Amino acid sequence: DVVMTQSPLSLPVTPGEPASISCRSSQSLLDSGYNYLDWYLQKPGQSPQLLIFLGSNRASGVPDRFSGSGSGTDFTLKISRVEAEDVGVYYCMQALQAPRLTFGGGTKVEIK
Amino acid sequence: QVQLVESGGGVVQPGRSLRLSCAASGFIEPVFTFSTYGMYWVRQAPGKGLEWVAVIWYNGNNKEYADSVKGRFAISRDNSKNTLDLQMNNLRAEDTAVYYCARVRGRHYGSGSYAGLDVWGQGTTVTVS
Repeated sequence: DVVMTQSPLSLPVTPGEPASISCRSSQSLLDSGYNYLDWYLQKPGQSPQLLIFLGSNRASGVPDRFSGSGSGTDFTLKISRVEAEDVGVYYCMQALQAPRLTFGGGTKVEIK
Repeated sequence: QVQLVESGGGVVQPGRSLRLSCAASGFIEPVFTFSTYGMYWVRQAPGKGLEWVAVIWYNGNNKEYADSVKGRFAISRDNSKNTLDLQMNNLRAEDTAVYYCARVRGRHYGSGSYAGLDVWGQGTTVTVS
């Protein structure tokens, strides 16, 4: 199984400042030109919501301050200017071995 | 708008059974109907991360299960009623979690192009104790 490792575990952020989360996979997620890597945000008390799919594609309705990058085994989620509503736990997820999915352990983003 | 609503959670003793349901609504006719999506059950144990549990193809012909539930859980769907079910038998304490249903498309699920698990339900809580 593909193992997904996220860092940091916790990320205190200042509103208006940028933030970055890293996700590393135990094997390449690149297949047929697509990186099968998604990012999800679980806000406090809510269900997860899709932010980014296939490495860099923003889901419908996701603000453009969120961006995904990377290829192969190393990926990054960036928030250009953090807002208070962005707090929660961020998960990366591999879909290369779909339908058997694997999630990262999560990164908790909180306001300083 | 598109909505998934889970139900059926509760407190159950170890070894007993429980059946979860997920009702879908608001899917866009006639192309992106419920019957064109694969469907997942994903769970989250208290204070823990996300774990996929089971998945079913758009037409119900293929199903897969996480090793942790294989042989105990059964996923099914009724495309005429836009519903998804999860029959959970021989429940264990480690099955305690919030269970979410989520939709997906892509070649791995028999239909469409992959675009993530783009709609999730609000979850239903299962406590085995």
